[in-house]
Amino acid sequence: KAGVTQTPRYLIKTRGQQVTLSCSPISGHRSVSWYQQTPGQGLQFLFEYFSETQRNKGNFPGRFSGRQFSNSRSEMNVSTLELGDSALYLCASSLGTSGRAPETQYFGPGTRLLVL
Amino acid sequence: LAKTTQPISMDSYEGQEVNITCSHNNIATNDYITWYQQFPSQGPRFIIQGYKTKVTNEVASLFIPADRKSSTLSLPRVSLSDTAVYYCLVPMNRDDKIIFGKGTRLHILP
Repeated sequence: KAGVTQTPRYLIKTRGQQVTLSCSPISGHRSVSWYQQTPGQGLQFLFEYFSETQRNKGNFPGRFSGRQFSNSRSEMNVSTLELGDSALYLCASSLGTSGRAPETQYFGPGTRLLVL
Repeated sequence: LAKTTQPISMDSYEGQEVNITCSHNNIATNDYITWYQQFPSQGPRFIIQGYKTKVTNEVASLFIPADRKSSTLSLPRVSLSDTAVYYCLVPMNRDDKIIFGKGTRLHILP
């Protein structure tokens, strides 16, 4: 089974621009979560989508948004880019079923965004 | 809400057993403890998960004492390729949303 894929892998933008990142989950997975990773802040949760609906949200400004399509693929968008948005953006997928134990999240390789 | 505390970094040598302890004093009754591993420029990878006592898989063991206020990830006979960041996670709310902390940077020396 193919793993989680993310495109593009690398991206360079300038301040004020906007960017869209894409994530294709493992086949059959309905939950997609997005994380931002920086050296200073570590791995921070952005949001989670399940069945095309945002199910959980982290503490990021409204410039960060996302969506999920009917095939579970997800995109995240960052508008009005700032220098501090330079980071590795990771996407993780899981089945999305609720149970007693947290589900295992399967991470993609990430998109490395550099804002100049 | 359960918050985890683990050492920022650790060094060990090839062939040694490495134990990384995580404290989670406010763990809730139904919370599980999950560990992930992350290599540079890659996404985290699930290692092991447990609720109480001991869990073992082909990669690691997880020891959880009776009070569940801490847990210890044990990596048997580490190699250079075990150099990575190890995250201890406990759900932060009733939605079981998993929050990653800063993790423990493990450096294996030859």
